[in-house]
Amino acid sequence: AQSVTQLGSHVSVSEGALVLLRCNYSSSVPPYLFWYVQYPNQGLQLLLKYTSAATLVKGINGFEAEFKKSETSFHLTKPSAHMSDAAEYFCAVGRDSSYKLIFGSGTRLLVRP
Amino acid sequence: DVKVTQSSRYLVKRTGEKVFLECVQDMDHENMFWYRQDPGLGLRLIYFSYDVKMKEKGDIPEGYSVSREKKERFSLILESASTNQTSMYLCASSYIWASGISSYEQYFGPGTRLTVT
Repeated sequence: AQSVTQLGSHVSVSEGALVLLRCNYSSSVPPYLFWYVQYPNQGLQLLLKYTSAATLVKGINGFEAEFKKSETSFHLTKPSAHMSDAAEYFCAVGRDSSYKLIFGSGTRLLVRP
Repeated sequence: DVKVTQSSRYLVKRTGEKVFLECVQDMDHENMFWYRQDPGLGLRLIYFSYDVKMKEKGDIPEGYSVSREKKERFSLILESASTNQTSMYLCASSYIWASGISSYEQYFGPGTRLTVT
């Protein structure tokens, strides 16, 4: 069965610093992987998705993620954090062969001035 | 752009009340989902529907029911609200490719923050 683990419920970085949010997954089938962002009091917005076309995936707002099969990881990065990046980030994996998603528990990103 | 709307952003109900949460999507998506979101638990699937009048239980269906009479609308019903159902409720939808395979990519509404007192 698929599962998703996000390491760190809270990550704090300084403005301009590298952002690294970790996601590890388990999947018995080639995975479909997603990162979503949730700003305060809003729904989830798709940041990027991996669907086997390329291992390095670029998303919106300067974020990217790299699929590493050997490490079963799909970590999210951004070279330079902005204050506007403060939000909660969710990693998700496609469930089995169905069209459902399994979500991680989320990582709240805090950006210090 | 896909638009998923939810009937209320904030809702306060009393214990024992029947509560209806409405979700509408405007992109003719076949699949619709209801999740609840609680701190530290991420999103948990309550129910989903893959067609009109078709529904399946998710991971935490107890205390909830759903209705899908029209393709664009998916309702979540709390038959008798309890305080442990205080949560953020998120609706989402996804489409089916022409091949008949469903997309995993889901589009979310803004959420309804429900407080049961």
